[in-house]
Amino acid sequence: AQSVTQPDIHITVSEGASLELRCNYSYGATPYLFWYVQSPGQGLQLLLKYFSGDTLVQGIKGFEAEFKRSQSSFNLRKPSVHWSDAAEYFCAVGQMDSSYKLIFGSGTRLLVRP
Amino acid sequence: GAGVSQSPSNKVTEKGKDVELRCDPISGHTALYWYRQRLGQGLEFLIYFQGNSAPDKSGLPSDRFSAERTGESVSTLTIQRTQQEDSAVYLCASSLVMQETQYFGPGTRLLVL
Repeated sequence: AQSVTQPDIHITVSEGASLELRCNYSYGATPYLFWYVQSPGQGLQLLLKYFSGDTLVQGIKGFEAEFKRSQSSFNLRKPSVHWSDAAEYFCAVGQMDSSYKLIFGSGTRLLVRP
Repeated sequence: GAGVSQSPSNKVTEKGKDVELRCDPISGHTALYWYRQRLGQGLEFLIYFQGNSAPDKSGLPSDRFSAERTGESVSTLTIQRTQQEDSAVYLCASSLVMQETQYFGPGTRLLVL
């Protein structure tokens, strides 16, 4: 069965430091991959997505992610974190059957130290 | 333009009561999804609509849960005889067509006492 693993429940970084959030997936075919961010009291916002092509994907707010097929990973990165990046981050894979429903990881909560 | 809207934003109910949750998708979006997010967890898929039909109901946890969509627009998720384990945030998403990006609403936070 398809699944997504985000091994880090919480991550704390200092403002201005670099960030990498890990995501591993289990999927039989070439996956559609997504990163969403959920800020307190708000809905999910799409940061970036990978469908095909260049394995390094640029998103909004200075985020990027790299698809590595050999490692079944789609890690999210940002070179310099801002305090406003504190939120919960979800990795998801799109199940390309009759519905394209999303299968989500359990999320990583990012805390930013001033 | 307007995004996905959901109502109510919060709902407190007593165990055993029925509740209805509403989703208004982005105008023109043919695909609509319902997800559930339990506290501290990721989102779980519940049901998918293409137009007014629901070809994938595989995520509905029990027969107490049902959903419908009318006019290829608004959708209602109904939970009958609510249980405490139904407490969660229920999120709706829509996309132009099913393989396009899903846009999420703010969710309905349901608390069953």
